Amino acid sequence: GAGVSQSPSNKVTEKGKDVELRCDPISGHTALYWYRQSLGQGLEFLIYFQGNSAPDKSGLPSDRFSAERTGGSVSTLTIQRTQQEDSAVYLCASSIRGGTVAKNIQYFGAGTRLSVL
Amino acid sequence: AQKITQTQPGMFVQEKEAVTLDCTYDTSDPSYGLFWYKQPSSGEMIFLIYQGSYDQQNATEGRYSLNFQKARKSANLVISASQLGDSAMYFCAMRANNAGNMLTFGGGTRLMVKP
Repeated sequence: GAGVSQSPSNKVTEKGKDVELRCDPISGHTALYWYRQSLGQGLEFLIYFQGNSAPDKSGLPSDRFSAERTGGSVSTLTIQRTQQEDSAVYLCASSIRGGTVAKNIQYFGAGTRLSVL
Repeated sequence: AQKITQTQPGMFVQEKEAVTLDCTYDTSDPSYGLFWYKQPSSGEMIFLIYQGSYDQQNATEGRYSLNFQKARKSANLVISASQLGDSAMYFCAMRANNAGNMLTFGGGTRLMVKP
């Protein structure tokens, strides 16, 4: 079956512009996660969705970052007024459910590489 | 807070030999899961193997096995019979039940398999 799909695969933007990154999770997965991978900071958690709700937004670095999920499926991560330090690979993952079960395997997409000039 | 440490930034292994990638972790939660992911140059994070904190036996998945030493808080990945396609970044990650749903990742190890 299809895995996690992210688009675009690459995005180049100018400082100050807004960008939208899209994630299409594995069909039937109720939990969705966004992470950021950068050279200096490694892999960082951004936000978690259970269905359309985001009970954990603790990793969003500033109020310029927001995310939504509609229909329990596709999610969009929006970065407003992009800065050069936002340059990174943004990875999306999904799992069959959230909750407190430790074995909750997250399956990742190939990411969107964002470059802010 | 959870922390994952991978002390080997890069490693070489000869094709067909076994290799061990180190991972140590720190958490105060008695219930947690440990994961290994492979990230080839294409960028996708590929799930390899899982070990639960209460599992009595070490996890195995094909050529991958996890050497889980709970008292030492280590969860080393062993790859047997290395193949050229194993060349990639490898990340150890943890999810603790009292830390929500996020994965905490180590800094990764770049494995290079020599022909």
